[in-house]
Amino acid sequence: DSGVTQTPKHLITATGQRVTLRCSPRSGDLSVYWYQQSLDQGLQFLIQYYNGEERAKGNILERFSAQQFPDLHSELNLSSLELGDSALYFCASSEGQGPGNTIYFGEGSWLTVV
Amino acid sequence: GENVEQHPSTLSVQEGDSAVIKCTYSDSASNYFPWYKQELGKRPQLIIDIRSNVGEKKDQRIAVTLNKTAKHFSLHITETQPEDSAVYFCAASWGNKLVFGAGTILRVKS
Repeated sequence: DSGVTQTPKHLITATGQRVTLRCSPRSGDLSVYWYQQSLDQGLQFLIQYYNGEERAKGNILERFSAQQFPDLHSELNLSSLELGDSALYFCASSEGQGPGNTIYFGEGSWLTVV
Repeated sequence: GENVEQHPSTLSVQEGDSAVIKCTYSDSASNYFPWYKQELGKRPQLIIDIRSNVGEKKDQRIAVTLNKTAKHFSLHITETQPEDSAVYFCAASWGNKLVFGAGTILRVKS
């Protein structure tokens, strides 16, 4: 158990809908990262927050947004869902924000868009 | 841009043999290069990492080498065992962004 908690574990929703994925980082970790893993795209970095502020952005679609709250938990919002958004979404956390901080992954949230 | 290329995409070895996975990265990557192992349906887990001030690091049967001049780094697994079968990802950091390679499916045949 990495200490990173993600909910829900599985989610099935229809195209055009909106979902929210939730993540609680390890105790003491200030950074939260979101990654998308699909069969043909590997692990794609979406976004990173550190202590409530956005720190780095990857190939995150405009239909997706995220935030980190004062209690350090984070949410990833996915809207106007398309079939291609079906993937495993990982949250990860680390103590610091810079390179060299080991990041620990949660178990992931499986999203299926039908 | 920020890119990590990983080879091979699949690798089959006989139990007890060695396995080598190679990664190259594009310019200006930072000093941190971790390797993650992901078993089917599970989360990626860090197995070893290396920083640019060292050329090689070993942890039991696992070793990583780094050549910053050539911009490549490799994972070496010796005396492979069936439980080593998994997907292995290399990664390199650009600022706060950790970019992963496409992954290598390692199959260890007993």
